[in-house]
Amino acid sequence: KAGVTQTPRYLIKTRGQQVTLSCSPISGHRSVSWYQQTPGQGLQFLFEYFSETQRNKGNFPGRFSGRQFSNSRSEMNVSTLELGDSALYLCASKSLFSAYEQYFGPGTRLTVT
Amino acid sequence: DQQVKQNSPSLSVQEGRISILNCDYTNSMFDYFLWYKKYPAEGPTFLISISSIKDKNEDGRFTVFLNKSAKHLSLHIVPSQPGDSAVYFCAASGNDYKLSFGAGTTVTVRA
Repeated sequence: KAGVTQTPRYLIKTRGQQVTLSCSPISGHRSVSWYQQTPGQGLQFLFEYFSETQRNKGNFPGRFSGRQFSNSRSEMNVSTLELGDSALYLCASKSLFSAYEQYFGPGTRLTVT
Repeated sequence: DQQVKQNSPSLSVQEGRISILNCDYTNSMFDYFLWYKKYPAEGPTFLISISSIKDKNEDGRFTVFLNKSAKHLSLHIVPSQPGDSAVYFCAASGNDYKLSFGAGTTVTVRA
């Protein structure tokens, strides 16, 4: 079974621009969560989507948004990029049979200059 | 507000010896705890977990201990191997199934 895939792997953007990241979950997984990882902060939860609906949301500004498609693929969008948005963005999927265990993709490294 | 804390950013251990990683949490509603391991350029991978109804869970070389009264858990790796060199994240969840992660501990196993 293929793992969680994320595209692109690396991205460089300028302050004020917007960016869209993509995540394809493991086949059959309908839950997709997004996390931001920065040095010293660990993984900060952004949001979770299940069956195209946002089920949980973390404490991030409205510039961070997401969506999920009918095939469970998910996208995350960040508008009006700030320098502090530079981070590794991780996507994780979860099966219906696991309440807690999530499977992570390799992440997208976003650098804002 | 960081609800899960890993106060040791790094740990260096001799190959063959025990690695002990610590994690503290503040939210008394957390009832499930997990450890993830992360290599550079890869996403975190699940290692071991424990429910709040237990105080110990073992899986091969990995054992997690939970002390609910102290809101503390630890991960023991015995014996430590060079392939264990990675960043280890502690995570906790309550009935909303959201995972709250610690900042991570970088383990280096010396030959």
